[in-house]
Amino acid sequence: EIVLTQSPATLSLSPGERATLSCRASQSVSSYLAWYQQKPGQAPRLLIYDASNRATGIPARFSGSGSGTDFTLTISSLEPEDFAVYYCQQRSNWPIFTFGPGTKVDIK
Amino acid sequence: QVQLQESGPGLVKPSQTLSLTCTVSGGSISSGGYYWSWIRQHPGKGLEWIGYIYYSGSTYYNPSLKSRVTISVDTSKNQFSLKLSSVTAADTAVYYCAREEQNHDAFDIWGQGTMVTVSS
Repeated sequence: EIVLTQSPATLSLSPGERATLSCRASQSVSSYLAWYQQKPGQAPRLLIYDASNRATGIPARFSGSGSGTDFTLTISSLEPEDFAVYYCQQRSNWPIFTFGPGTKVDIK
Repeated sequence: QVQLQESGPGLVKPSQTLSLTCTVSGGSISSGGYYWSWIRQHPGKGLEWIGYIYYSGSTYYNPSLKSRVTISVDTSKNQFSLKLSSVTAADTAVYYCAREEQNHDAFDIWGQGTMVTVSS
């Protein structure tokens, strides 16, 4: 089973700052890596698929990069609505999907 | 646009079967090109993929739950369903239905989720 590890567990930043979130896989997942945002009481929202493709309607301040085992989600300038939990997800061994434990971005 | 809505009992007794339905609106399950999944989230925890179904009826389940899971589809009602047998307190979670577009390897549309508690 491919295990995803996310760091840091919590990221405390101020609006306008840059956020850099990491996701590491226990073995290569090629580019089959997605990122989601989840706010309290809501379903996850797809941000990025295939490591670097923004989903429909996602603002340009969200970007994804990486391949193999190391991936990054960058939020170039945090807006108030961006404070949430972010999950990565892989499907390298399709159709089995696994998710990371999440990174919480909270207001400093 | 396509929307998903989960429905079913919010309380299930231990050892019984959890049954949930996801109704798809704004699009047809039968149109193909998408896989329809169930995903759950234990309280305060991360996400766990349960399994998927294609409109043709083909399924695949998470090996960790395979022995207890059945996912079915009713194209006439534009719905797909989850049955999880022999539930315990460890199955208490928010259950989501979600859509995966072929070749995108991610879930682009989610239902709002439904909380299911296993308790006597």
